[in-house]
Amino acid sequence: DAMVIQNPRYQVTQFGKPVTLSCSQTLNHNVMYWYQQKSSQAPKLLFHYYDKDFNNEADTPDNFQSRRPNTSFCFLDIRSPGLGDAAMYLCATSGSGGSYNEQFFGPGTRLTVL
Amino acid sequence: DAKTTQPNSMESNEEEPVHLPCNHSTISGTDYIHWYRQLPSQGPEYVIHGLTSNVNNRMASLAIAEDRKSSTLILHRATLRDAAVYYCILRSQGTGNQFYFGTGTSLTVIP
Repeated sequence: DAMVIQNPRYQVTQFGKPVTLSCSQTLNHNVMYWYQQKSSQAPKLLFHYYDKDFNNEADTPDNFQSRRPNTSFCFLDIRSPGLGDAAMYLCATSGSGGSYNEQFFGPGTRLTVL
Repeated sequence: DAKTTQPNSMESNEEEPVHLPCNHSTISGTDYIHWYRQLPSQGPEYVIHGLTSNVNNRMASLAIAEDRKSSTLILHRATLRDAAVYYCILRSQGTGNQFYFGTGTSLTVIP
């Protein structure tokens, strides 16, 4: 089945130690998104790629970066994780043609910062 | 993107219909109304979307008010597997495909 895959499902890092979260997709979608979801809150969009074009949300901290080396893969880099960055990180994809494009979400990576 | 308002939580008995309301009084003419749901420990998933007319699919129905300032997601027979947080989201046609989630409604289904 075509899908959005996130690895690992659970990630533990230390305060200030860089960490990278991975997302891959078999849907061949040209748009990929990263969301942050803290406990009992709604997902919050961090940024998205439209093909290779990176689109950052205005309130996304500089501590968060992203890379998309090809259509299938997208990475979220947290350069210096703080305790407040502990959250579920969700990757999603969508197409871009037509009047509506459903977003397909991965299962998320739960990040713990010690 | 316009803002949506939903009740924080709702309860329903199993096998009864559920009506989940959403207010979007600042909706513009080009805003689509989307509903996604998030089951425990999973990513959100698409439920339904519409623009002006009521919509039906295998999961649910979407009833849109005539002035489009509110909408209602209808689950015709709630099951335990429908227990989730339901998000009502507006997105303008022609903008990027970004979603800005509101607070959502946590639905509890009682056996």
